[in-house]
Amino acid sequence: NAGVMQNPRHLVRRRGQEARLRCSPMKGHSHVYWYRQLPEEGLKFMVYLQKENIIDESGMPKERFSAEFPKEGPSILRIQQVVRGDSAAYFCASSPAGLATQLSSGANVLTFGAGSRLTVL
Amino acid sequence: KQEVTQIPAALSVPEGENLVLNCSFTDSAIYNLQWFRQDPGKGLTSLLLIQSSQREQTSGRLNASLDKSSGRSTLYIAASQPGDSATYLCAVRVVGGYQKVTFGIGTKLQVIP
Repeated sequence: NAGVMQNPRHLVRRRGQEARLRCSPMKGHSHVYWYRQLPEEGLKFMVYLQKENIIDESGMPKERFSAEFPKEGPSILRIQQVVRGDSAAYFCASSPAGLATQLSSGANVLTFGAGSRLTVL
Repeated sequence: KQEVTQIPAALSVPEGENLVLNCSFTDSAIYNLQWFRQDPGKGLTSLLLIQSSQREQTSGRLNASLDKSSGRSTLYIAASQPGDSATYLCAVRVVGGYQKVTFGIGTKLQVIP
């Protein structure tokens, strides 16, 4: 089990370019969450997706940012026309199907990828 | 809106000490609470998960407790080691409809040899 895979691990973009970050959830996980961590700050929720559905995008800026989780392939976080303030670590996490009726140790554990660090020059 | 607070923001202790990290949350209608460790420049590693029906979980030198009614959780680290130096994050998952996780800003721990 390879865990949650994020790529690229490091991405450098110039202002105005597009950044595309990819996340492959753990095998069997159908829920994906994206978080942003600014330097010296905590993780901030951006968007929560299930396959082909955006469930909650309340933490994502309305402009320039978009996310998708297609039926096939990884989840993608896209940032258009990047600005210096977009420089941050972007983390993806996945979990098994939620709303489990039986709670057990280890169920619904949120598993994180190693993150993608975006630097905007 | 769920808010998660962690105190202290930073902690420095000599090796061998026992220590307690605190996490408080404003909405007690939680599904579970999870403690993570983050090393500088790295991702998050899950340490302990406590379901809402549980009071505590233990793993090795780590013990996490949960008091839903008071909106608090503690992470106890016994016999601290320099390798424990990291930022410890508390994350709370809410109940209802879908599940969204809210993180505290973390406690940065330094264990001095």
